[in-house]
Amino acid sequence: GQNIDQPTEMTATEGAIVQINCTYQTSGFNGLFWYQQHAGEAPTFLSYNVLDGLEEKGRFSSFLSRSKGYSYLLLKELQMKDSASYLCAVFFAGNNRKLIWGLGTSLAVNP
Amino acid sequence: DAGVIQSPRHEVTEMGQEVTLRCKPISGHDYLFWYRQTMMRGLELLIYFNNNVPIDDSGMPEDRFSAKMPNASFSTLKIQPSEPRDSAVYFCASGSTTSTDTQYFGPGTRLTVL
Repeated sequence: GQNIDQPTEMTATEGAIVQINCTYQTSGFNGLFWYQQHAGEAPTFLSYNVLDGLEEKGRFSSFLSRSKGYSYLLLKELQMKDSASYLCAVFFAGNNRKLIWGLGTSLAVNP
Repeated sequence: DAGVIQSPRHEVTEMGQEVTLRCKPISGHDYLFWYRQTMMRGLELLIYFNNNVPIDDSGMPEDRFSAKMPNASFSTLKIQPSEPRDSAVYFCASGSTTSTDTQYFGPGTRLTVL
Protein backbone atom coordinates (compact mmCIF):
# COMPACT_ATOMS: atom_id res chain seq x y z
CA GLY A 1 0.00 0.00 0.00
CA GLN A 2 0.91 3.65 0.08
CA ASN A 3 0.19 4.50 3.71
CA ILE A 4 1.38 7.86 4.94
CA ASP A 5 1.53 8.08 8.73
CA GLN A 6 1.77 11.22 10.85
CA PRO A 7 1.01 11.87 14.52
CA THR A 8 -2.51 13.21 14.89
CA GLU A 9 -1.74 15.99 17.35
CA MET A 10 1.25 17.73 18.88
CA THR A 11 1.64 20.51 21.39
CA ALA A 12 4.61 22.84 21.83
CA THR A 13 5.54 26.08 23.53
CA GLU A 14 6.17 29.42 21.88
CA GLY A 15 9.87 29.86 21.13
CA ALA A 16 10.61 26.15 21.22
CA ILE A 17 11.55 23.69 18.46
CA VAL A 18 9.22 20.94 17.26
CA GLN A 19 9.77 18.04 14.87
CA ILE A 20 6.81 16.55 13.00
CA ASN A 21 7.49 13.11 11.59
CA CYS A 22 6.03 11.46 8.52
CA THR A 23 6.58 7.80 7.68
CA TYR A 24 5.50 6.14 4.47
CA GLN A 25 5.26 2.65 3.04
CA THR A 26 5.87 3.32 -0.62
CA SER A 27 8.73 3.57 -3.06
CA GLY A 28 9.49 4.89 -6.50
CA PHE A 29 8.18 8.35 -5.74
CA ASN A 30 9.66 11.55 -7.10
CA GLY A 31 9.61 13.67 -3.99
CA LEU A 32 7.89 14.56 -0.74
CA PHE A 33 5.92 17.72 0.01
CA TRP A 34 5.02 19.45 3.25
CA TYR A 35 2.02 21.78 3.37
CA GLN A 36 0.64 23.98 6.14
CA GLN A 37 -3.10 24.36 6.64
CA HIS A 38 -4.62 26.83 9.09
CA ALA A 39 -8.11 26.06 10.34
CA GLY A 40 -10.71 26.95 7.73
CA GLU A 41 -8.14 27.74 5.08
CA ALA A 42 -6.50 26.02 2.13
CA PRO A 43 -3.23 24.07 2.32
CA THR A 44 -0.21 26.19 1.41
CA PHE A 45 3.13 24.94 0.17
CA LEU A 46 6.03 24.76 2.64
CA SER A 47 8.72 22.52 1.16
CA TYR A 48 9.56 19.87 -1.40
CA ASN A 49 12.33 17.29 -0.92
CA VAL A 50 13.61 15.30 -3.87
CA LEU A 51 17.01 14.26 -2.57
CA ASP A 52 17.85 12.78 0.81
CA GLY A 53 18.97 15.31 3.36
CA LEU A 54 17.92 18.53 5.00
CA GLU A 55 16.40 21.49 3.18
CA GLU A 56 16.41 24.67 5.24
CA LYS A 57 14.11 27.60 4.61
CA GLY A 58 14.10 30.18 7.36
CA ARG A 59 12.52 28.84 10.55
CA PHE A 60 11.29 25.73 8.74
CA SER A 61 13.43 22.79 7.60
CA SER A 62 12.44 19.52 6.00
CA PHE A 63 14.36 16.25 5.94
CA LEU A 64 13.98 13.17 3.77
CA SER A 65 15.50 9.70 4.08
CA ARG A 66 14.34 7.36 1.33
CA SER A 67 16.27 4.38 2.72
CA LYS A 68 14.59 4.75 6.11
CA GLY A 69 11.18 5.64 4.73
CA TYR A 70 10.61 8.84 6.63
CA SER A 71 10.61 12.58 6.53
CA TYR A 72 10.30 15.27 9.15
CA LEU A 73 9.43 18.93 9.31
CA LEU A 74 11.39 20.97 11.83
CA LEU A 75 9.95 24.23 13.09
CA LYS A 76 12.23 26.52 15.08
CA GLU A 77 11.48 29.57 17.22
CA LEU A 78 7.82 28.64 17.31
CA GLN A 79 5.27 31.41 17.07
CA MET A 80 1.58 31.37 17.91
CA LYS A 81 0.77 31.72 14.22
CA ASP A 82 2.44 28.35 13.58
CA SER A 83 -0.59 26.66 15.17
CA ALA A 84 -1.97 24.76 12.18
CA SER A 85 -2.21 21.35 10.58
CA TYR A 86 0.91 20.11 8.76
CA LEU A 87 0.36 17.74 5.87
CA CYS A 88 2.92 15.40 4.38
CA ALA A 89 2.40 14.17 0.81
CA VAL A 90 4.34 11.81 -1.45
CA PHE A 91 4.51 12.80 -5.11
CA PHE A 92 4.45 10.46 -8.09
CA ALA A 93 5.17 11.92 -11.54
CA GLY A 94 4.86 10.20 -14.87
CA ASN A 95 1.69 9.30 -16.72
CA ASN A 96 -0.41 9.20 -13.56
CA ARG A 97 0.80 12.22 -11.65
CA LYS A 98 -0.56 12.44 -8.13
CA LEU A 99 0.04 13.31 -4.51
CA ILE A 100 -0.71 10.77 -1.79
CA TRP A 101 -1.56 12.67 1.39
CA GLY A 102 -1.18 11.95 5.06
CA LEU A 103 -4.04 12.94 7.38
CA GLY A 104 -2.00 15.77 8.83
CA THR A 105 -0.62 16.68 12.23
CA SER A 106 -2.47 19.33 14.20
CA LEU A 107 0.08 21.48 16.03
CA ALA A 108 -0.96 23.69 18.92
CA VAL A 109 1.55 26.33 20.02
CA ASN A 110 0.94 27.55 23.56
CA PRO A 111 2.28 30.75 25.13
CA ASP B 1 -1.61 36.76 -9.79
CA ALA B 2 -5.04 36.18 -8.25
CA GLY B 3 -4.33 32.57 -7.35
CA VAL B 4 -6.83 29.76 -7.74
CA ILE B 5 -10.40 31.03 -7.52
CA GLN B 6 -13.31 28.91 -6.35
CA SER B 7 -16.99 29.62 -6.05
CA PRO B 8 -19.15 29.49 -4.12
CA ARG B 9 -17.22 29.61 -0.83
CA HIS B 10 -20.13 28.10 1.06
CA GLU B 11 -23.05 26.04 -0.18
CA VAL B 12 -25.93 24.69 1.85
CA THR B 13 -28.40 22.53 0.01
CA GLU B 14 -30.96 19.83 0.60
CA MET B 15 -30.52 16.19 -0.18
CA GLY B 16 -31.37 15.40 -3.77
CA GLN B 17 -30.46 18.79 -5.15
CA GLU B 18 -27.82 19.37 -7.81
CA VAL B 19 -24.64 21.15 -6.70
CA THR B 20 -22.11 22.77 -9.03
CA LEU B 21 -18.72 23.90 -7.79
CA ARG B 22 -16.53 26.12 -9.93
CA CYS B 23 -12.82 26.68 -10.24
CA LYS B 24 -10.53 29.03 -12.15
CA PRO B 25 -6.90 27.82 -12.05
CA ILE B 26 -3.81 29.99 -12.05
CA SER B 27 -3.13 31.26 -15.57
CA GLY B 28 -0.51 29.17 -17.35
CA HIS B 29 -0.93 26.09 -15.17
CA ASP B 30 -1.60 22.93 -17.14
CA TYR B 31 -2.78 20.69 -14.29
CA LEU B 32 -6.00 21.02 -12.33
CA PHE B 33 -6.97 18.86 -9.37
CA TRP B 34 -10.23 18.44 -7.45
CA TYR B 35 -9.96 17.29 -3.83
CA ARG B 36 -12.40 16.56 -1.04
CA GLN B 37 -11.37 17.01 2.58
CA THR B 38 -13.07 15.56 5.65
CA MET B 39 -11.85 15.03 9.20
CA MET B 40 -12.08 11.27 8.89
CA ARG B 41 -10.48 10.77 5.48
CA GLY B 42 -8.28 13.83 5.08
CA LEU B 43 -7.54 15.10 1.56
CA GLU B 44 -8.78 12.79 -1.16
CA LEU B 45 -8.02 13.31 -4.83
CA LEU B 46 -11.24 13.07 -6.85
CA ILE B 47 -10.02 13.78 -10.37
CA TYR B 48 -7.31 15.66 -12.18
CA PHE B 49 -6.90 17.19 -15.63
CA ASN B 50 -3.85 17.84 -17.77
CA ASN B 51 -4.29 20.37 -20.58
CA ASN B 52 -8.07 20.18 -20.02
CA VAL B 53 -8.15 16.39 -20.47
CA PRO B 54 -9.24 14.17 -17.54
CA ILE B 55 -6.33 11.87 -16.68
CA ASP B 56 -7.39 10.04 -13.54
CA ASP B 57 -10.94 9.98 -12.18
CA SER B 58 -10.50 6.88 -10.02
CA GLY B 59 -11.16 8.95 -6.92
CA MET B 60 -14.63 10.05 -8.01
CA PRO B 61 -16.81 8.25 -5.47
CA GLU B 62 -19.86 7.50 -7.57
CA ASP B 63 -21.66 8.27 -10.80
CA ARG B 64 -23.35 11.11 -8.96
CA PHE B 65 -20.07 13.02 -9.30
CA SER B 66 -18.89 14.47 -12.59
CA ALA B 67 -16.24 17.02 -13.57
CA LYS B 68 -15.54 18.99 -16.69
CA MET B 69 -12.86 21.34 -17.92
CA PRO B 70 -14.13 23.01 -21.10
CA ASN B 71 -11.12 25.32 -21.36
CA ALA B 72 -7.83 26.13 -19.65
CA SER B 73 -9.36 28.69 -17.32
CA PHE B 74 -12.46 26.95 -15.99
CA SER B 75 -13.54 23.69 -14.42
CA THR B 76 -16.68 22.44 -12.69
CA LEU B 77 -17.42 19.64 -10.26
CA LYS B 78 -21.04 18.59 -10.19
CA ILE B 79 -22.89 16.39 -7.72
CA GLN B 80 -26.33 15.17 -8.77
CA PRO B 81 -28.19 14.18 -6.70
CA SER B 82 -26.42 15.34 -3.55
CA GLU B 83 -26.50 13.34 -0.30
CA PRO B 84 -25.64 14.28 3.32
CA ARG B 85 -22.46 12.18 3.17
CA ASP B 86 -21.16 14.52 0.45
CA SER B 87 -20.80 17.26 3.06
CA ALA B 88 -17.11 18.26 3.05
CA VAL B 89 -14.74 20.97 1.91
CA TYR B 90 -13.96 20.71 -1.79
CA PHE B 91 -10.65 22.15 -2.94
CA CYS B 92 -9.46 22.90 -6.43
CA ALA B 93 -5.70 23.09 -7.00
CA SER B 94 -3.60 23.87 -10.04
CA GLY B 95 -0.01 23.18 -10.88
CA SER B 96 2.61 23.10 -13.58
CA THR B 97 5.66 20.99 -14.28
CA THR B 98 7.59 24.25 -14.58
CA SER B 99 6.82 25.05 -10.93
CA THR B 100 8.39 21.85 -9.56
CA ASP B 101 4.99 20.16 -9.51
CA THR B 102 3.84 22.23 -6.53
CA GLN B 103 0.07 22.35 -6.28
CA TYR B 104 -1.55 25.66 -5.40
CA PHE B 105 -4.90 25.43 -3.68
CA GLY B 106 -7.97 27.57 -3.95
CA PRO B 107 -9.84 28.67 -0.79
CA GLY B 108 -12.24 25.76 -1.02
CA THR B 109 -16.01 25.36 -1.06
CA ARG B 110 -17.61 24.21 2.18
CA LEU B 111 -20.58 22.08 1.17
CA THR B 112 -23.32 21.12 3.59
CA VAL B 113 -26.05 18.77 2.39
CA LEU B 114 -29.02 18.63 4.76
